[in-house]
Amino acid sequence: GAVVSQHPSWVICKSGTSVKIECRSLDFQATTMFWYRQFPKQSLMLMATSNEGSKATYEQGVEKDKFLINHASLTLSTLTVTSAHPEDSSFYICSAERDWGAKNIQYFGAGTRLSVL
Amino acid sequence: DQQVKQNSPSLSVQEGRISILNCDYTNSMFDYFLWYKKYPAEGPTFLISISSIKDKNEDGRFTVFLNKSAKHLSLHIVPSQPGDSAVYFCAASSRYSSASKIIFGSGTRLSIRP
Repeated sequence: GAVVSQHPSWVICKSGTSVKIECRSLDFQATTMFWYRQFPKQSLMLMATSNEGSKATYEQGVEKDKFLINHASLTLSTLTVTSAHPEDSSFYICSAERDWGAKNIQYFGAGTRLSVL
Repeated sequence: DQQVKQNSPSLSVQEGRISILNCDYTNSMFDYFLWYKKYPAEGPTFLISISSIKDKNEDGRFTVFLNKSAKHLSLHIVPSQPGDSAVYFCAASSRYSSASKIIFGSGTRLSIRP
C-alpha cells in the first residue's frame, strides 16, 4: 500500500477568505497528484491534475484562479481555495499516483471538509 | 454523459452471504478498472483492480470479473462481513488518456446486516 496524508481534515472559514489544503505522499514520490471534490451522495469529481514542477491541468468548468494548485515537490501538492464562498463548501479529496511498473494506482488522502460561512 | 455507471445506489446483504456489486462503462478505450471502498468522511481506499487483458482477478475475499464485450464488471465479496459496509466506487482509466485520469462511478452503498 501507500500512505497519503491530507491536512486539515476539517476547516471552517468566513466568506471571502482563502483556505489552503495540503496533500502529502508519505512513503513514496508522486509525480502526479489529483484533486477531487465530492458533493453529498455523489461521486468524486476530478477538479485538476497536479504535476510536479509544472502547471496543473484543470477539468472543464473548474476555475483555475479560484482553485490554485501548487505541486512544489514530489511529495507535496497544495490546493488553495481563494476568496471562498458558501457554494465552495464541499468535501475535497486528493490522491497521489504511485507507479507499480505495470500499473499506476491512485492512493487517496482522508479528505478535507470545507465549510464556508 | 456518465462513462462509468453504477445503477444500484444501495445494496443490503446478509452477513456471510455473497455481495455482488455491478458496474457498466461506455468508453471502449478504458483498459484498466479499479474498485475503491469509502467510509463516511474518509478518502477512498483502493481495493482491487483488473486490466483489460484479464477477465478475473482475485484477492482474498474480493474478486473482480470483467466482461469486455458487455462493458461490464462486477465485484464479488464472499463471505460478506460487517466491516464491508461502505460505499464502493467503480473506476476506469485509459492508457490513451492523459495523466492516468480515472473516472469514477456514482457509488453503491453496501450494508451488511447481521
